[in-house]
Amino acid sequence: GAVVSQHPSWVICKSGTSVKIECRSLDFQATTMFWYRQFPKQSLMLMATSNEGSKATYEQGVEKDKFLINHASLTLSTLTVTSAHPEDSSFYICSASRGLDYNEQFFGPGTRLTVL
Amino acid sequence: GQNIDQPTEMTATEGAIVQINCTYQTSGFNGLFWYQQHAGEAPTFLSYNVLDGLEEKGRFSSFLSRSKGYSYLLLKELQMKDSASYLCAASDSNYQLIWGAGTKLIIKP
Repeated sequence: GAVVSQHPSWVICKSGTSVKIECRSLDFQATTMFWYRQFPKQSLMLMATSNEGSKATYEQGVEKDKFLINHASLTLSTLTVTSAHPEDSSFYICSASRGLDYNEQFFGPGTRLTVL
Repeated sequence: GQNIDQPTEMTATEGAIVQINCTYQTSGFNGLFWYQQHAGEAPTFLSYNVLDGLEEKGRFSSFLSRSKGYSYLLLKELQMKDSASYLCAASDSNYQLIWGAGTKLIIKP
């Protein structure tokens, strides 16, 4: 149980385009979903926290107009990287919490974004 | 401020035991997580401690001392597949995870 999927697993796009990444909790309802970014050989960096039906809370330094988060249901959250640039190339990972089990976060497999 | 410290890299021999330490400073505390992350993959949950003491789970054990702001992950009978990064994360008063930079564990034959 507690499986989280992400789609796509990897994406290559041209600079200036927008990319949408989906995060789904497959067998549980996620009260909270988290979006992380990880650059090579670095730790996870929390970008934002979202609760179903409400606006996401962004971490300091993360541009909310560039990284659009929509948590439309208890099983789906999307991250849209708008007008992507090469410096946005990174490994994006989502996680979901079901509000039980000491708020353990269950991680998706990640999406590797490469912006040319 | 909130901070997590863990060694950047450790090397150990197959079959041996290794201990990865983690110290934390957070605003409030709701537990300490250890995750394993293989290169290019997402983290996977290993353990959670909220009370002082040792939690054993097969070859892996995790220890917590709340008074010292200290935890360690103990890996026994090391296998080559244990080569990975090990992430320490503390849950603060808002249940937000504060992540360490990770410890890269290299296992040699």
